[in-house]
Amino acid sequence: AQTVTQSQPEMSVQEAETVTLSCTYDTSENNYYLFWYKQPPSRQMILVIRQEAYKQQNATENRFSVNFQKAAKSFSLKISDSQLGDTAMYFCAFMNPQGSNYKLTFGKGTLLTVNP
Amino acid sequence: SAVISQKPSRDICQRGTSLTIQCQVDSQVTMMFWYRQQPGQSLTLIATANQGSEATYESGFVIDKFPISRPNLTFSTLTVSNMSPEDSSIYLCSARATWGGYEQYFGPGTRLTVT
Repeated sequence: AQTVTQSQPEMSVQEAETVTLSCTYDTSENNYYLFWYKQPPSRQMILVIRQEAYKQQNATENRFSVNFQKAAKSFSLKISDSQLGDTAMYFCAFMNPQGSNYKLTFGKGTLLTVNP
Repeated sequence: SAVISQKPSRDICQRGTSLTIQCQVDSQVTMMFWYRQQPGQSLTLIATANQGSEATYESGFVIDKFPISRPNLTFSTLTVSNMSPEDSSIYLCSARATWGGYEQYFGPGTRLTVT
């Protein structure tokens, strides 16, 4: 079974600065997908970024980018120019499209606070 | 992306009763999922709901406790039966789109408190 580990329960960053959230996972599969979701106090889960394991290029979405290290099974999220609205719980998630019914396995989350 | 709504957004129920949560998607989707998120915790998958077939439940979750319906490609319901205080959680539905990649889009969740 796949596992996802987020070793930082809480982090804080000053507005406009850069922060990196870490995520590691364990799998024996070669083809899989990784995601970062954001859950602000409103509870709405919002997809931040997606990475396909077969792609060597790291995914980017505006101020959000990932550092995907397949051999190390590491998938960190970098948030640049942090904004107050980035304050949220961030969840790393793994999905194996082969035989897993497309279900997501989530890490325990990292609570990010952006300070003014 | 898909827009997903859930009803009710929150409810307070007495133990022993049942609550049905509705999930509506603004477009047709192949797969819908139901998750439970206990206070301060991560998301745990309850079951996967495919249209026209029985839901597939994860270990630790059973149909008698969490019956699910999926009557069409845009709608699903989850019932929490014979509730106890341990069922107090946020229940979220999600959908995997029929287009694009494998990402799931989530509803806003239903906050359930059982007294």
